Amino acid sequence: EAGVTQSPTHLIKTRGQQATLRCSPISGHTSVYWYQQALGLGLQFLLWYDEGEERNRGNFPPRFSGRQFPNYSSELNVNALELEDSALYLCASSLQGGPVTGELFFGEGSRLTVL
Amino acid sequence: AQSVTQLGSHVSVSEGALVLLRCNYSSSVPPYLFWYVQYPNQGLQLLLKYTTGATLVKGINGFEAEFKKSETSFHLTKPSAHMSDAAEYFCAVSAGTNAGKSTFGDGTTLTVKP
Repeated sequence: EAGVTQSPTHLIKTRGQQATLRCSPISGHTSVYWYQQALGLGLQFLLWYDEGEERNRGNFPPRFSGRQFPNYSSELNVNALELEDSALYLCASSLQGGPVTGELFFGEGSRLTVL
Repeated sequence: AQSVTQLGSHVSVSEGALVLLRCNYSSSVPPYLFWYVQYPNQGLQLLLKYTTGATLVKGINGFEAEFKKSETSFHLTKPSAHMSDAAEYFCAVSAGTNAGKSTFGDGTTLTVKP
C-alpha cells in the first residue's frame, strides 16, 4: 500500500514568489494535515482538511492557504514568500476524525528554500 | 488548551545503555499521547500511542512508554540502545476538543555512541 506522497521533494523560490506543494494521502484516508518544520522551531501545525473542508488552522498568516480535492489529495499554497518560510513542509493523513481516532501518517516532506 | 514539553533537546547514550526520553503534557481533557521518530531527511513515523486502557504501551523497535496521569508524563524508554536508534523523537498530545490539531513537542535528538 502506498504511503503519503508529497511533491516536489525540493523547491527553491525567491522572496515574493508563490510556492505550491502537493500531497496525496494514503488510500482511504480522508483527513490531510500540513505542518511546517523550520530549523530550530519544531513542528508547527498549519492546516487540517477533511472531506474537502478546512477543519482547523494553525497560527499562520493568510498567505498560507490550501485546499483539498475530491480525491482527498491536497495542496498548500504559500504566497508572497519570505525568507523565514524556508522549512520542511510535512503532510500527514489519517482516517476521518483526526488524530483523536488514530495516528498521523507522514510523508517524506517538501523542502522549501526561499532565497 | 494543550501543550507538550520534552525535557532535553539532545540526549546522548552509549550503545547498549538505557534510553530515556522525557515528555510532560498538559491537557484540559483526557489526552491521547503519541511518540514519533524522524530519521534524517525523512518524515515522522509512529513509534507508539496511548489512547485508553493499559498505561504501559509497547511500540516498534523495542520502545515503550508509560502514561502517568498523576505526573502528567509519557516518557519513552528502551532498555538497550542500538546505533540505528539515532534520530529525532517527538512527543505529541491530542485532545477531543482539538481534534486535528495535535500539539508536538520541540523534539529530542538522540545520539548513540559506539
